[in-house]
Amino acid sequence: EAGVAQSPRYKIIEKRQSVAFWCNPISGHATLYWYQQILGQGPKLLIQFQNNGVVDDSQLPKDRFSAERLKGVDSTLKIQPAKLEDSAVYLCASSFDWNTEAFFGQGTRLTVV
Amino acid sequence: TQLLEQSPQFLSIQEGENLTVYCNSSSVFSSLQWYRQEPGEGPVLLVTVVTGGEVKKLKRLTFQFGDARKDSSLHITAAQPGDTGLYLCAVVSGAGSYQLTFGKGTKLSVIP
Repeated sequence: EAGVAQSPRYKIIEKRQSVAFWCNPISGHATLYWYQQILGQGPKLLIQFQNNGVVDDSQLPKDRFSAERLKGVDSTLKIQPAKLEDSAVYLCASSFDWNTEAFFGQGTRLTVV
Repeated sequence: TQLLEQSPQFLSIQEGENLTVYCNSSSVFSSLQWYRQEPGEGPVLLVTVVTGGEVKKLKRLTFQFGDARKDSSLHITAAQPGDTGLYLCAVVSGAGSYQLTFGKGTKLSVIP
C-alpha cells in the first residue's frame, strides 16, 4: 500500500517569497493533518481536515499560512510571505477516520534565507 | 511550558549498550504513544500504552507507562546502529480526534 506522498522534498526560498507544499494521503483516508517540525522540536499541528472540511485550524498562522483540500483528497499548504522562522519540515499525515492512527509522509524541508 | 518533557535531549552510545529515555508530564493521560523518526522521514508509531503500569515489548525495545499515567520510559537493550533516530513521545490531545501533541524528542546515535 502506498504511503502518504509529499512534494517537493526540499525547498529553499528567500524571505517574503511564497511557497506551496503538496500532499497526497493514503487512498481512502478521510482525515488529513499538516504538522510543522522546527529543528530540535517535535511536530506541531497546524491544521486538520475531515474530507474537504476544516476541523481545526486554531494553530495555523492565518495571516501568512493557508491550506485547502478542495476535493477531499489532495491538499496544499501555502505560505505567503515566508519569514525566516518558517524554516522547518512540514509533515503531512492521514488517517482512515478522525479517531484512528495517523500515518506520516516524509515531509518537505523548507529553508527560508 | 512543554506538555511533555523528554530526556535526555541527546544520547550517543556504542553498539551493544543499553539505554533508557524518558517522557514526563505533570498531566495525566489516558494513553501515550512512542514514535521513531529517522533522518529525512516522518515519525513512525512504535507503540501505544494505555494502562497505568503497563509494560510493552517490541523486540529489544521495552516501553513502560507510569502507574499514575503521567510518565513513560523507553528502554533499548543491546542498541544497534539501526536504532539511530529521534524518539518522540506523544499524546492524543484533540477532543475526540487523533490530533497529536509531541515532546521535543531524544536524538539517539548508536555508534558501530
